[in-house]
Amino acid sequence: DTAVSQTPKYLVTQMGNDKSIKCEQNLGHDTMYWYKQDSKKFLKIMFSYNNKELIINETVPNRFSPKSPDKAHLNLHINSLELGDSAVYFCASSQGTSDTDTQYFGPGTRLTVL
Amino acid sequence: QKEVEQNSGPLSVPEGAIASLNCTYSDRGSQSFFWYRQYSGKSPELIMSIYSNGDKEDGRFTAQLNKASQYVSLLIRDSQPSDSATYLCAVPQIQGAQKLVFGQGTRLTINP
Repeated sequence: DTAVSQTPKYLVTQMGNDKSIKCEQNLGHDTMYWYKQDSKKFLKIMFSYNNKELIINETVPNRFSPKSPDKAHLNLHINSLELGDSAVYFCASSQGTSDTDTQYFGPGTRLTVL
Repeated sequence: QKEVEQNSGPLSVPEGAIASLNCTYSDRGSQSFFWYRQYSGKSPELIMSIYSNGDKEDGRFTAQLNKASQYVSLLIRDSQPSDSATYLCAVPQIQGAQKLVFGQGTRLTINP
């Protein structure tokens, strides 16, 4: 009965490859997010979707492409992986977009680019 | 100036004492504030949220908000070794699309 789940948990790949991370939430929330946490543990938002519509698109290389097939799923595809993409990627969800809505985080995907 | 600032620590507190974590923010219009706890290798989990000036208590945790001074703090009473973690202050920046901006986190260690 995991609330926000991500696959895979670990991802090790070579530079230049393309990879995807999947996220699913069973909380019935309307809004989902992708965050990146770098080696210094700084957590920064990348994207947000509300009812499958992109509402936040931070300054992220266009090699990163999110996709939301439905409200419960948000995937992240990364093309031409670079060393600097190595980080932990967290998916999160919230009921809506109000600034009082709590965001619930998934377990994270640790991406290592060699 | 960073949007949300915290002392990165590490902050070391003896077991049973009060741990005090501080956070300042730059957007004077911010209305909501969140404290998340993150254990090493785990995901952030919500500890407290606070929206009004003053104190909000939940068990051993107390959040304090002062909008005029633009700071929010988290007090942990009767600190336990299990409280050892990184504590992240987070402030939503955009209304209508909750862009949660995090501080760099304060690493707290409770010494038995």
